[in-house]
Amino acid sequence: QKEVEQDPGPLSVPEGAIVSLNCTYSNSAFQYFMWYRQYSRKGPELLMYTYSSGNKEDGRFTAQVDKSSKYISLFIRDSQPSDSATYLCAMSPYNQGGKLIFGQGTELSVKP
Amino acid sequence: NAGVTQTPKFQVLKTGQSMTLQCAQDMNHEYMSWYRQDPGMGLRLIHYSVGAGITDQGEVPNGYNVSRSTTEDFPLRLLSAAPSQTSVYFCASSRWGSGDNSPLHFGNGTRLTVT
Repeated sequence: QKEVEQDPGPLSVPEGAIVSLNCTYSNSAFQYFMWYRQYSRKGPELLMYTYSSGNKEDGRFTAQVDKSSKYISLFIRDSQPSDSATYLCAMSPYNQGGKLIFGQGTELSVKP
Repeated sequence: NAGVTQTPKFQVLKTGQSMTLQCAQDMNHEYMSWYRQDPGMGLRLIHYSVGAGITDQGEVPNGYNVSRSTTEDFPLRLLSAAPSQTSVYFCASSRWGSGDNSPLHFGNGTRLTVT
């Protein structure tokens, strides 16, 4: 079993929909939780970061971490065609630097 | 500001050939790493380095070598290419430390096919 599980999709939604992306994990040592966005034929770029449990909001994006359930989520409100990309969750134990463990990635398509 | 630069963008190798994937960063980052990305597997860490002269293995190191002689460069060597090494390879760098004060910056990848 992988340390981090993410539904690979693909997920297709109409423009303006609310999108929910999720990951589960098994390693209770993970403290730092990130979401990366990857456009086709590009490298991933950091979208959201949270430390330990809680919520973080940035514009149309909200990241949630529930450490008791070992479950993290990314919500996208008012989704746009430009949000079409692969979204990867990533996590790291405390003090492990950039040594991230990634989920498989979810491919999202937002249709106009 | 170039960020993380990977060369070549595409490469086709025959089984048994060797080659070096180049990675350079101009952000003076201490930490550099190599990942491979395969369908359904996400990104898996191959090797990483926390500074010049220091390297360590990640999750899938077999068949790959690295060295870090300068802060800027972190080449990945395939010793004897195998079809199982067909993948997209990403180099990434960051300041050394956890959290959003040191996010990973990725290059745009090298797409390698081994026949």
